[in-house]
Amino acid sequence: DAGVTQSPTHLIKTRGQQVTLRCSPKSGHDTVSWYQQALGQGPQFIFQYYEEEERQRGNFPDRFSGHQFPNYSSELNVNALLLGDSALYLCASSLDSYYEQYFGPGTRLTVT
Amino acid sequence: AQSVTQLDSQVPVFEEAPVELRCNYSSSVSVYLFWYVQYPNQGLQLLLKYLSGSTLVKGINGFEAEFNKSQTSFHLRKPSVHISDTAEYFCDVDTSGTYKYIFGTGTRLKVLA
Repeated sequence: DAGVTQSPTHLIKTRGQQVTLRCSPKSGHDTVSWYQQALGQGPQFIFQYYEEEERQRGNFPDRFSGHQFPNYSSELNVNALLLGDSALYLCASSLDSYYEQYFGPGTRLTVT
Repeated sequence: AQSVTQLDSQVPVFEEAPVELRCNYSSSVSVYLFWYVQYPNQGLQLLLKYLSGSTLVKGINGFEAEFNKSQTSFHLRKPSVHISDTAEYFCDVDTSGTYKYIFGTGTRLKVLA
């Protein structure tokens, strides 16, 4: 049974560019959450998708947007990249109402 | 707004000694509580969770945690640590039903031989 997968593993972008990160949830899971983890910090909740809708959002600007597809996979888009967006981006999946999250290995984004 | 405090940024402990990693949260309303472990260059793995019921929760790898509502705490304990327990540990709180998970800043557990 495949766990949560994320692509790409690493990414280097220039300030001002746009980036798309992808996540496939664990088999049977219908809920996907995205987190930003800066170096030496805990994960910061960006948003959660359920039934293709954004159900909850953390304190992140509108430059951060997402999408969930009918197969429950998800994308995180970040526009107008800033140096401060450099971080590990984690995707987590869960089965709605069970709360237990399974995390992927993350995508390391470096903005230069 | 909910906040989560992990007071100890680093905890060194000798192998086979007991350890406690502390977690306190701010809100007194109903919460769901989690502890995760993160090994270098990996994602997070769930150690244990408290949703309701018994306040003493047992998890994987010999870890346990106790929910204390009056002290708004959820401290993680292990009676005897191993070198392989060296990792970063995160406390996570969800104010029930909000689907908004708040993580602490983490505690780095270093087990010494």
